[in-house]
Amino acid sequence: DTEVTQTPKHLVMGMTNKKSLKCEQHMGHRAMYWYKQKAKKPPELMFVYSYEKLSINESVPSRFSPECPNSSLLNLHLHALQPEDSALYLCASSQAPVGTDTQYFGPGTRLTVL
Amino acid sequence: AQSVTQLGSHVSVSEGALVLLRCNYSSSVPPYLFWYVQYPNQGLQLLLKYTSAATLVKGINGFEAEFKKSETSFHLTKPSAHMSDAAEYFCAVNQAGTALIFGKGTTLSVSS
Repeated sequence: DTEVTQTPKHLVMGMTNKKSLKCEQHMGHRAMYWYKQKAKKPPELMFVYSYEKLSINESVPSRFSPECPNSSLLNLHLHALQPEDSALYLCASSQAPVGTDTQYFGPGTRLTVL
Repeated sequence: AQSVTQLGSHVSVSEGALVLLRCNYSSSVPPYLFWYVQYPNQGLQLLLKYTSAATLVKGINGFEAEFKKSETSFHLTKPSAHMSDAAEYFCAVNQAGTALIFGKGTTLSVSS
């Protein structure tokens, strides 16, 4: 099984809201990733967790706050977002160490910020 | 620094024709190379990957890619296109300690 699940599938939020995106995998992977993808563009890396510790933060604004509660779960907490943050947010996982194996992607959460 | 270049942002073929999507990489050491496909409003699905075991790599849905070190290329091919192959295709590279670096993507259109 190479499934990564993400909830919700769609999310609409105002600029003052607080919401969270969730990602789950049961492949025993110890590296998990958040990407942001705008239309007609490749995914852009936001964060990487390796063994539940944040290992890469690509200078993402603090209104995005990642969390890795355990080896199977990855959250992305959202607060005070801007309309330009509207995008498809993709979660992925792989064997650790980072960059040594295939990344498997979830279906994404389509976020719209009003 | 690693990089990936996909030649042609849009490729159009007729159903039954050969599909050729081009990817060139820049890496100082042998890389891991991947092709992913993305259908509208979906996540990325792995088509195939190169990890130095064999230079000709077979993937899902009839796709294959050949790693050519002398040309630093990893082009994706399929002998006969189907309408269902219409999608966005991304070539990507990574090495230990880094996350994936994607090319800009190629949109494949298939006409009947």
